[in-house]
Amino acid sequence: QVQLQESGPGLVKPSETLSLTCTVSGGSINNYYWSWIRQPPGKGLEYIGYIYYTGSTNYNPSLNSRVTISVDTSKNQFSLKLSSVTAADTAVYYCARESRDRGWLDPWGQGTLVTVSS
Amino acid sequence: DIQMTQSPSSLSASVGDRVTITCRASQSISSYFNWYQQKPGKAPKLLIYATSSLQSGVPSRFSGSGSGTDFTLTISSLQPEDFATYYCQQTYSKSSSFGQGTKLEIK
Repeated sequence: QVQLQESGPGLVKPSETLSLTCTVSGGSINNYYWSWIRQPPGKGLEYIGYIYYTGSTNYNPSLNSRVTISVDTSKNQFSLKLSSVTAADTAVYYCARESRDRGWLDPWGQGTLVTVSS
Repeated sequence: DIQMTQSPSSLSASVGDRVTITCRASQSISSYFNWYQQKPGKAPKLLIYATSSLQSGVPSRFSGSGSGTDFTLTISSLQPEDFATYYCQQTYSKSSSFGQGTKLEIK
């Protein structure tokens, strides 16, 4: 079955850019939407945005000016960049596949903790 | 933005209890609504999609209902493995959003 795995630095300095990659295995990235979601420690889930395999994107308006999601179909990967990070961006970041039908998220990656600190 | 409000925020119950968690949307979202279960240190797991469809592999004691702005998740007979945090999600708007979560604890 399809599995997702996040990868990237676990520590990012304030004002720098957070960069994560999600690798999709067990299936093709084509014909699906792919999403990023985050969860600050001890808090709830926040939707970041999605990318379609063709490259079209949609972002949470609250993060829109700082977020870029891209896709590399040749590597079966999609990526997240979040610029100008602060301590408030410290969170577990999850990638997930988003249904083309009504947008439910399944499956999810295991998540990766990114800490913003100098 | 569509706001999702879950109630209660936390709930204590016993094995075998019937439990209901509710979620209210700030505007009508049709049936673009899902439920997830999250256990400590784990990724959320899809339980119910499109309001009432049970995800494959999820026990039939879980059920979902609702429409418009008001939705419920019901667990008919709590099992030890059901103690977790539950999140609702709307996917009606292009920018999806989640409820704040309901932590289900053992009484």
